[in-house]
Amino acid sequence: KNQVEQSPQSLIILEGKNCTLQCNYTVSPFSNLRWYKQDTGRGPVSLTIMTFSENTKSNGRYTATLDADTKQSSLHITASQLSDSASYICVVSDRGSTLGRLYFGRGTQLTVWP
Amino acid sequence: EADIYQTPRYLVIGTGKKITLECSQTMGHDKMYWYQQDPGMELHLIHYSYGVNSTEKGDLSSESTVSRIRTEHFPLTLESARPSHTSQYLCASSGPDAYSGANVLTFGAGSRLTVL
Repeated sequence: KNQVEQSPQSLIILEGKNCTLQCNYTVSPFSNLRWYKQDTGRGPVSLTIMTFSENTKSNGRYTATLDADTKQSSLHITASQLSDSASYICVVSDRGSTLGRLYFGRGTQLTVWP
Repeated sequence: EADIYQTPRYLVIGTGKKITLECSQTMGHDKMYWYQQDPGMELHLIHYSYGVNSTEKGDLSSESTVSRIRTEHFPLTLESARPSHTSQYLCASSGPDAYSGANVLTFGAGSRLTVL
């Protein structure tokens, strides 16, 4: 069964600290993996998209890694800010599927305290 | 900035009412989607469309219906709302990014529906 599991479910860190969010998936075949940030009451906003051949990709203070062999991805946030408080969602697409059949994780709820 | 717009953002209605959630995008994307999201849960695809006059049901069974008469417009309708329909509804569209060429999925801000 194609699944996407994220950990931790929730995380609280102090402003300025770094953190790493995990995403494990069983989706096969694999096409790409996306990380989204979703503020409360808003729609998800894309942070990164990684294909099979990419190991790491950065977007400002966000750095995503991908290990396609172990089917794991991580999202590292550097020097956290209060505005980073949000849900971070991992989304995996399988090769050959329609884009409408993406597999979503439940998200990691990150809270940054001052 | 989002180029996909949803209205209303919030709606509280009584049981049995008919409602339509509007979704419009200005990116010229052929593919559009409706997702349902409950707190702390993953998004579930309820409808999608690959172009004008094309609509399909998604993975999650839904009593809602959709239409795609124009490329930019993909409204979702509930003929008779029930409390079980209370949820967040997210519209999305996909197409090649103007800068990178990668296929991107862009979400609207969502419509939070509460049925009393």
